[in-house]
Amino acid sequence: GAVVSQHPSRVICKSGTSVKIECRSLDFQATTMFWYRQFPKQSLMLMATSNEGSKATYEQGVEKDKFLINHASLTLSTLTVTSAHPEDSSFYICSASHGGGGISDTQYFGPGTRLTVL
Amino acid sequence: QKEVEQDPGPLSVPEGAIVSLNCTYSNSAFQYFMWYRQYSRKGPELLMYTYSSGNKEDGRFTAQVDKSSKYISLFIRDSQPSDSATYLCAMSGGSQGNLIFGKGTKLSVKP
Repeated sequence: GAVVSQHPSRVICKSGTSVKIECRSLDFQATTMFWYRQFPKQSLMLMATSNEGSKATYEQGVEKDKFLINHASLTLSTLTVTSAHPEDSSFYICSASHGGGGISDTQYFGPGTRLTVL
Repeated sequence: QKEVEQDPGPLSVPEGAIVSLNCTYSNSAFQYFMWYRQYSRKGPELLMYTYSSGNKEDGRFTAQVDKSSKYISLFIRDSQPSDSATYLCAMSGGSQGNLIFGKGTKLSVKP
């Protein structure tokens, strides 16, 4: 149980284009979904937290107009990287939790999406 | 000082060895401690979840939390080549509702 999928697993795009990444909880309803970014040899850095039906909460330093998050249902959240630039190239990972994203909730991670912006 | 410190390694051990992975932290409010395993180019997989101080065992894996020292450990007994991965510690608690991750320790178990 508690399987989270991401699509696509890898994407290469040209600078200036937009890329959408999907995150789905396959066998449970995810009240809260999280989006992380991981640079090589670095830890996961939380970008934003989203609750179904409400606006995402972005971490300090993350541009909400550049990284658009939609959590339209209890099983799907999307991250759109708008006007992507080479410095946005990274490994993007989502996670989902059953509860409200509280400090005791377990997060289940997706397999990640590797974005390369040329 | 970073909130969570973890030696990135790499750590290389022979098959069958006991592996000890550690993290230290500075925020005394942390109460929930997790260990994740991440294979190359994959998402993290939850291995162990502990609350407050103490030990927790699951098969070949044992997690220890020492809140007085702000130190957590993951032990892997009878290590296998399939254990080769990056191990991330993560924690949360107090006003910090989000998970704070260590950088991860890359482990290689040689046959």
